[in-house]
Amino acid sequence: QSALTQPPSASGSPGQSVTISCTGSSSDIGDYNYVSWYQHHPGKAPKLIIYEVTKRPSGVPNRFSGSKSGNTASLTVSGLQAEDEADYYCSSFGVTKNDVFGGGTKLTVL
Amino acid sequence: EVQLVESGGALVQPGGSLRLSCAASGFTFSSYWMTWVRQAPGKGLEWVAHIKYDGSGKDYEDSVRGRFTISRDNADNSLYLQMSSLRADDTAVYYCVRDAGWYRFDQWGQGTLVTVSS
Repeated sequence: QSALTQPPSASGSPGQSVTISCTGSSSDIGDYNYVSWYQHHPGKAPKLIIYEVTKRPSGVPNRFSGSKSGNTASLTVSGLQAEDEADYYCSSFGVTKNDVFGGGTKLTVL
Repeated sequence: EVQLVESGGALVQPGGSLRLSCAASGFTFSSYWMTWVRQAPGKGLEWVAHIKYDGSGKDYEDSVRGRFTISRDNADNSLYLQMSSLRADDTAVYYCVRDAGWYRFDQWGQGTLVTVSS
């Protein structure tokens, strides 16, 4: 059981938008604006796609956006594309070392 | 271009030892905390250990504390993970990861597979 709770799965059709939540507590997500999101295609290296809640590293499409409300952070993928099918993980400063990452969400593009 | 290249993964028997290495290039290695993250088959990402930029601070996930040792050689731009008393549940792909601060893991290696089995 991770300290950061994500839904195990999410799905959407090409062109649609999907939002993945990451629920923590007042000690981590609620207290810090240091939430990150990672995209992981099986067999490849995970990739940072969002940091500090809303910021995108260079090269990450603006279809990916992040937000936070209270103890819950969210990743929204707009204009879904086939290549967005992957596992997505959140992390937040403030969590214990044993729970740095959320449990992960498998995003399926229908 | 930033590169992190892991090596050392292998098949090892329970109770055995293994040393993973990570060769870093394309950035000032000595300026960054470095982290090992693993992913067991069918499971999610798990933070394993991290080390301060100068090697003076280290921390470990509870299940590996006392069995794993993280170290670095800034002169050689290398990160290491010495693993001992290996167990079946240590089987995973191990990633070398750069921490840009506040748990922002901005660069990842391709990973090296460790399999613990008799």
